[in-house]
Amino acid sequence: DSGVTQTPKHLITATGQRVTLRCSPRSGDLSVYWYQQSLDQGLQFLIQYYNGEERAKGNILERFSAQQFPDLHSELNLSSLELGDSALYFCASSPGLGTGHNEQFFGPGTRLTVL
Amino acid sequence: DQQVKQNSPSLSVQEGRISILNCDYTNSMFDYFLWYKKYPAEGPTFLISISSIKDKNEDGRFTVFLNKSAKHLSLHIVPSQPGDSAVYFCAASARGGADGLTFGKGTHLIIQP
Repeated sequence: DSGVTQTPKHLITATGQRVTLRCSPRSGDLSVYWYQQSLDQGLQFLIQYYNGEERAKGNILERFSAQQFPDLHSELNLSSLELGDSALYFCASSPGLGTGHNEQFFGPGTRLTVL
Repeated sequence: DQQVKQNSPSLSVQEGRISILNCDYTNSMFDYFLWYKKYPAEGPTFLISISSIKDKNEDGRFTVFLNKSAKHLSLHIVPSQPGDSAVYFCAASARGGADGLTFGKGTHLIIQP
């Protein structure tokens, strides 16, 4: 158990809909990262938050957005869903910024299926 | 453009022997490297990391070697055990690990009894 929790575990929805994925980081971690794992693209970095502020963006679509709340949990919002958005979505957390011991610990993931 | 490459999709090793997993990278800005182990439908599990200021890091049965001039790193598992069978991902980051990780496609390690 990494200490990172994600809900829900599974999500099935239809094209055009909007969903919210939730992540609680490990106790004490200030950084939260979101990743997408699809069959063809592998594990891809989407976005990072540090202590409530957006820190870095990766390959995140404009239809996707995220935020980190004062209690440090984070939510990833996916809208206007398409079939190709079906994937595993992982959240990871780490203590901070570039300390050299900045290993990211991953949650169990949310499996999103868009029908 | 794949910045982190794991050229062996799979590797089969006998129990008790050494497993060597390889990874190459192209981005010179990467200065922090990690190995993760992953089972299907689970999140990646952190194994070991190395900063670019080092060329070797050990943790129990796991050792990671970094060759900066060749932009190459490897993970050695000695001795290999049946529970090591999983997909292993190499990942890299810039700014001392502060950036999001760039992952390789993974190597499926199979430990044979």
